Amino acid sequence: GENVEQHPSTLSVQEGDSAVIKCTYSDSASNYFPWYKQELGKRPQLIIDIRSNVGEKKDQRIAVTLNKTAKHFSLHITETQPEDSAVYFCAASRRYRTSGTYKYIFGTGTRLKVLA
Amino acid sequence: DTEVTQTPKHLVMGMTNKKSLKCEQHMGHRAMYWYKQKAKKPPELMFVYSYEKLSINESVPSRFSPECPNSSLLNLHLHALQPEDSALYLCASSQDQQGAYNEQFFGPGTRLTVL
Repeated sequence: GENVEQHPSTLSVQEGDSAVIKCTYSDSASNYFPWYKQELGKRPQLIIDIRSNVGEKKDQRIAVTLNKTAKHFSLHITETQPEDSAVYFCAASRRYRTSGTYKYIFGTGTRLKVLA
Repeated sequence: DTEVTQTPKHLVMGMTNKKSLKCEQHMGHRAMYWYKQKAKKPPELMFVYSYEKLSINESVPSRFSPECPNSSLLNLHLHALQPEDSALYLCASSQDQQGAYNEQFFGPGTRLTVL
């Protein structure tokens, strides 16, 4: 079945520390893994993504790693700031069997609180 | 224009009302999505339109009826909803739905309350 597990569900860190959020997917055919940040009352926004042919990708303070063998991927935020506080969702893109098109399977979300 | 817009921002309706949610994008995207999001939960896919044709219906009750009048517009018609349908309804769009690496751009959502 299609499933993406995400841990932890809540995470509190001190400003300046690092935060790590982990996701595990079940469908080995998944090949694209975006991460979305959703601030309270706002829309989800893509912050970083990774394709299945890449093991790691970095964009300033944010990085994502992918282990295809273990079917897990992680978000790393360094030097956290209060404005990083939000809910973070991972997702895995998989091919929809009947139509051949793609859809996202979202993780359950992680509420990150950065304490000043 | 790199945004997905949605109207209205908030909607309160009774169980016997008929209302519509609207979504618009001008990025030339050919895939558009409706998601339902309950508090503290991830977005849950409802419908996908690809090149103005319905390509995915995630077994959504018939009281939700989607419509894609053209490549820029997506509507969600609501009728005889239940209080448990109260949620944030998000629209999204992507370049198309045939490729695996398509970023989805989300609108700000419509906060729906069913009384």
